[in-house]
Amino acid sequence: GAGVSQSPSNKVTEKGKDVELRCDPISGHTALYWYRQRLGQGLEFLIYFQGNSAPDKSGLPSDRFSAERTGESVSTLTIQRTQQEDSAVYLCASSFGLQETQYFGPGTRLLVL
Amino acid sequence: GDSVTQMEGPVTLSEEAFLTINCTYTATGYPSLFWYVQYPGEGLQLLLKATKADDKGSNKGFEATYRKETTSFHLEKGSVQVSDSAVYFCALSLYSSASKIIFGSGTRLSIRP
Repeated sequence: GAGVSQSPSNKVTEKGKDVELRCDPISGHTALYWYRQRLGQGLEFLIYFQGNSAPDKSGLPSDRFSAERTGESVSTLTIQRTQQEDSAVYLCASSFGLQETQYFGPGTRLLVL
Repeated sequence: GDSVTQMEGPVTLSEEAFLTINCTYTATGYPSLFWYVQYPGEGLQLLLKATKADDKGSNKGFEATYRKETTSFHLEKGSVQVSDSAVYFCALSLYSSASKIIFGSGTRLSIRP
């Protein structure tokens, strides 16, 4: 597709369950970022992938959060043992590389009951 | 640490009014500065950017000038329209930090017909 896509668009889960969020970046984009947007707050950086380099995980809030990326394509963000405070919109962005414009996906709205 | 502070909303204006949304930043290096916009029900979009001091970013009638001396990047538009109603995010990125974006908390703008 022409833009960044994310799935699912909405996810409702019970506290303690694991969830997996998917991001398909724009073809050819080597850099991929995950951000979180809590209700009424700004966006927080979570993790960054650039090519084959080790990912920058400095924004992950706890060890329950992890992410993987297959080459320069799909990425999955996994949240284990979800908590209510994990409820947020999770946004993925991709770019051609450092210093290039980041293009955002529509986000996955996660609600943990 | 690096941060962005923008005026709190909501901001409500009448159509054709002049708009200013203030934004200031703190950064250890020489950041690129951005304004992102999130229209109701849509994903985050880049509105404009400036990559060095005194640069002016502009798009859709919006402008912002990178002011290093005041560490500011205020968003302005001379005559707003109802279709400008959205949430606006000021943001910065630093090449030294893998260009991950640091966002302000967002300003909700509502334009009355």
